[in-house]
Amino acid sequence: AQSVTQLGSHVSVSEGALVLLRCNYSSSVPPYLFWYVQYPNQGLQLLLKYTTGATLVKGINGFEAEFKKSETSFHLTKPSAHMSDAAEYFCAAFSYQGAQKLVFGQGTRLTINP
Amino acid sequence: DAGVIQSPRHEVTEMGQEVTLRCKPISGHNSLFWYRQTMMRGLELLIYFNNNVPIDDSGMPEDRFSAKMPNASFSTLKIQPSEPRDSAVYFCASIFLQAANTEAFFGQGTRLTVV
Repeated sequence: AQSVTQLGSHVSVSEGALVLLRCNYSSSVPPYLFWYVQYPNQGLQLLLKYTTGATLVKGINGFEAEFKKSETSFHLTKPSAHMSDAAEYFCAAFSYQGAQKLVFGQGTRLTINP
Repeated sequence: DAGVIQSPRHEVTEMGQEVTLRCKPISGHNSLFWYRQTMMRGLELLIYFNNNVPIDDSGMPEDRFSAKMPNASFSTLKIQPSEPRDSAVYFCASIFLQAANTEAFFGQGTRLTVV
């Protein structure tokens, strides 16, 4: 069965520091992969996605992620954290073949220290 | 398009009452998902539909939960009877299934409190 694991339920970085949020998936077929961001009391907003093609994808707000099939990973990074990046981040996988369902990781709460 | 629309945004109800949550997906989308979000369990997939047909409801916690999608523009999630442990934020998301262009759009959620 398809599953998504996010390492670290809480990550704290200083403003201006590198942000790295980890995501690994488990699937017999490489799925489509997504990162979503959720601000307090709001729904989920798409940051970026990987479906096919270039494995390094760029998203909104300066975030990017790299799909590494050999490591079954899709880690999210941002070179320099901003206070406005404080939010909860979710990694998700969608299997286009077979059971077409969108499965989420547990989420990582990102805190930015001034 | 106004996006995925959920109603109500907030619902407070007494234990034992029936609760109905509503979702209007984005026009033209052919898949719809219901999720429940809690601090303890994160985002749980409850059920999803493809072309209005329920495909997988294995995430529905109990028989008290039911979901319908009578047409492409409307879905409901019903809890009857409701219990305090059902308190959570319930999200609806819709997708247009198309290779290499798949993206889920979420509603703002319904915050349910059962007292």
